[in-house]
Order: sequence, then C-alpha cells, then structure tokens
Amino acid sequence: GAVVSQHPSWVICKSGTSVKIECRSLDFQATTMFWYRQFPKQSLMLMATSNEGSKATYEQGVEKDKFLINHASLTLSTLTVTSAHPEDSSFYICSAPRQGATYEQYFGPGTRLTVT
Amino acid sequence: EDQVTQSPEALRLQEGESSSLNCSYTVSGLRGLFWYRQDPGKGPEFLFTLYSAGEEKEKERLKATLTKKESFLHITAPKPEDSATYLCAVRGGATNKLIFGTGTLLAVQP
Repeated sequence: GAVVSQHPSWVICKSGTSVKIECRSLDFQATTMFWYRQFPKQSLMLMATSNEGSKATYEQGVEKDKFLINHASLTLSTLTVTSAHPEDSSFYICSAPRQGATYEQYFGPGTRLTVT
Repeated sequence: EDQVTQSPEALRLQEGESSSLNCSYTVSGLRGLFWYRQDPGKGPEFLFTLYSAGEEKEKERLKATLTKKESFLHITAPKPEDSATYLCAVRGGATNKLIFGTGTLLAVQP
C-alpha cells in the first residue's frame, strides 16, 4: 500500500493566488522529504529538500520566496506556491526516504496544479 | 558531476518479447541505484534498490542488475500492463538526493 500521501491530487487556482500542497509519510517518520516538479514527458526535477526543524534547501534556480516549504512534523511537509502564475502549472511530487537495513525512497501520488 | 543516462528513450515490444533497459551512471561514491515505474499522471512506484556491482534483484517479470558503470532492467515475457515509463536514479556522495535519468517509455502491444 501507499507509504507517502499527497493532498490534494489536483487543484485549479487563479493567477495571483496561493496554493498549499501537503505531503505525509504514512507509517514511518521522515526527517527529510523532497519536492519535485515534473513537466509533461520530462523526468523529475528536484526543487528542494525539506528538513524537519530547519530551513529547506533549494536547488539552484528555484525561488525560495515563491515556493515556501514547511516541514511541520516528522510525517508532514507542505509546499506553498505563492502568487501562482500559469507557468507554475505542473505536476508536483514529494518523496520521503525510509532508512533501515536499506535506503528506500518512496514517492507520493503527485499533485496536478493548473493556474488559470 | 553525477549523471544518469537512460536508453533507449522509448521502446515498443510485442507481448512476450523480452528486452532490457539500460541505465548508465557516473557518481562519486555510489550509495544506491534505484529503479522506479511511473504510470501517466501518477508518482513513481519503487521497484528496486541495488548497492554493489554484481547484485541482482527480481520482481515478477522484472530483474535488475548492476555493474560499476551501468544497470540493466530486464523484462521477461512482458505483458501490456508492463507499459509505463521506467526511471533510474542514483544516490551518491554525502547527499540523500536522487539524480534521475530521463526515463524509458515502454509500450507493450498485445
């Protein structure tokens, strides 16, 4: 079964508004979570690393003031797209690593954002 | 710079026609090579993690192998439901980040 959930699965918003996407690890704690963006027929592009209890680390070219990340607990990270514009329309996916005998990173089902 | 290259970009097979997907990588200090399956409009589904050259893992019709430079995902007697994009990623160095390849889009025709 799913080990990482995302909410909402899809959202449509008007240009200039903000949208919050939640990512939850369901049966394990994740001190680190990752946020990706995926454009049609392209691979995953890492946007930022979310760290519980500290600031997120953003990849080069990603605006930290536009994509606000909050790692509120060991099972929840949120991504807020502020002042969204049509070019922000994309598929946003989070992931969480579960460390034990092996390192396994699980992905959420993704959130389709459409900005009109 | 860590890099992952997947080939072919797309592959069309007849049902039952076995084949292999390739993932070539360069990474400083490999700490895991990952294979994922992604269906349209969904998040990647974890398939395998490989850690050292010579390691193999199997799941149903899929088998993943690893050498020091590349990994193969072998698909034996594929079925139409195996149609998806298969992604390869590596974790290296001191980071927990995954570096993804661009994927192979597999289409299995009945």
